[in-house]
Amino acid sequence: GESVGLHLPTLSVQEGDNSIINCAYSNSASDYFIWYKQESGKGPQFIIDIRSNMDKRQGQRVTVLLNKTVKHLSLQIAATQPGDSAVYFCAENMNYGGSQGNLIFGKGTKLSVKP
Amino acid sequence: DGGITQSPKYLFRKEGQNVTLSCEQNLNHDAMYWYRQDPGQGLRLIYYSQIVNDFQKGDIAEGYSVSREKKESFPLTVTSAQKNPTAFYLCASSIAGTGQETQYFGPGTRLLVL
Repeated sequence: GESVGLHLPTLSVQEGDNSIINCAYSNSASDYFIWYKQESGKGPQFIIDIRSNMDKRQGQRVTVLLNKTVKHLSLQIAATQPGDSAVYFCAENMNYGGSQGNLIFGKGTKLSVKP
Repeated sequence: DGGITQSPKYLFRKEGQNVTLSCEQNLNHDAMYWYRQDPGQGLRLIYYSQIVNDFQKGDIAEGYSVSREKKESFPLTVTSAQKNPTAFYLCASSIAGTGQETQYFGPGTRLLVL
């Protein structure tokens, strides 16, 4: 079936380094993607989104890249800080049948930042 | 202070008991959602509602029920038919439920079985 997955389940980086979290998606018809950050015991927090008519979008210290050719999404975090330690999820909007509006989530990548 | 609230933070269920998880939002969003999260897993959709008095089953609706009598409220009942209810439950809302907008999440309710 169609699914959103991640290349790396865990990622450990040094404070101050840049982090790159990857996500693969399998439905070429997906047209909206979101990255969420989830700290332990809390709900997911929106980070950044991107639509399929864009290749890149930047936020504060974060950049999302979308490669539709290989169906790949990445989240880049600049100058990673200890507060960035969390699980990061990508999600895609996959319209099918009458389920418009549903997001499909990947399993997440755990980012650990070493001081 | 706008946002989504869920209560309680922890909930204990006895075998054979129905329990209800509360979700309230003051964002004036039309669409609301319930997800279940198991350890090491992504979020799975239980139910969603795009408008008051209407809701649709998600991927894992069996053993759950919902109601949407008010725009700001979307309670989830975990029934005794749900044989493995232990999980972290997350409620979310979005402006219109079109799929082209962000879903905002509440803090979650952790359900444990006694």
